Amino acid sequence: AQKITQTQPGMFVQEKEAVTLDCTYDTSDPSYGLFWYKQPSSGEMIFLIYQGSYDQQNATEGRYSLNFQKARKSANLVISASQLGDSAMYFCAMREGQGGYNKLIFGAGTRLAVHP
Amino acid sequence: GAVVSQHPSRVICKSGTSVKIECRSLDFQATTMFWYRQFPKQSLMLMATSNEGSKATYEQGVEKDKFLINHASLTLSTLTVTSAHPEDSSFYICSARARGGTGELFFGEGSRLTVL
Repeated sequence: AQKITQTQPGMFVQEKEAVTLDCTYDTSDPSYGLFWYKQPSSGEMIFLIYQGSYDQQNATEGRYSLNFQKARKSANLVISASQLGDSAMYFCAMREGQGGYNKLIFGAGTRLAVHP
Repeated sequence: GAVVSQHPSRVICKSGTSVKIECRSLDFQATTMFWYRQFPKQSLMLMATSNEGSKATYEQGVEKDKFLINHASLTLSTLTVTSAHPEDSSFYICSARARGGTGELFFGEGSRLTVL
């Protein structure tokens, strides 16, 4: 069963507008972590934001915020004031449980194109 | 943030040869490193979990004799693609998790392997 689902293969947004990238997950573990990474065309994976399952507030990092809806098992990424440099692939990922051995499982990704 | 260095970034080899990819954590100790494989326009697929001083744990469907992983020290893990064939051509990315923290993975720059 797919654990991380990103239903939007591609999205586009006008520069300076906000955009939401969807992510839903499936786990029976009460302790988990949710991550968003950005992958530009160069290939490197850039960490954007993290949300722990026990965190009471939605995570925010600059222009990035995570809309965490635990009951719906969704962790959407919101990018405010989009910039041309935001054009990239975006991956949602989940870690189940605690500890250094727990692996990250990635969603299929969403390709974001920011238009001037 | 923590730095993970991967080398080489690009490698082209003939079919039947072996290729070694190195992954180093430059400013932190990583007891666990992860190796991912990414085909064009697809997500990252976990190949194996590399634990310092012990055998790697491979994901289902990954040939351990084909993809040899060695985690010789707290800062170095290597992936050797043995007897490479064109179907092994892919983007290989390593990642490491620093002790403590949120469980965030720090990624290397990736290695693009082309087997002729």
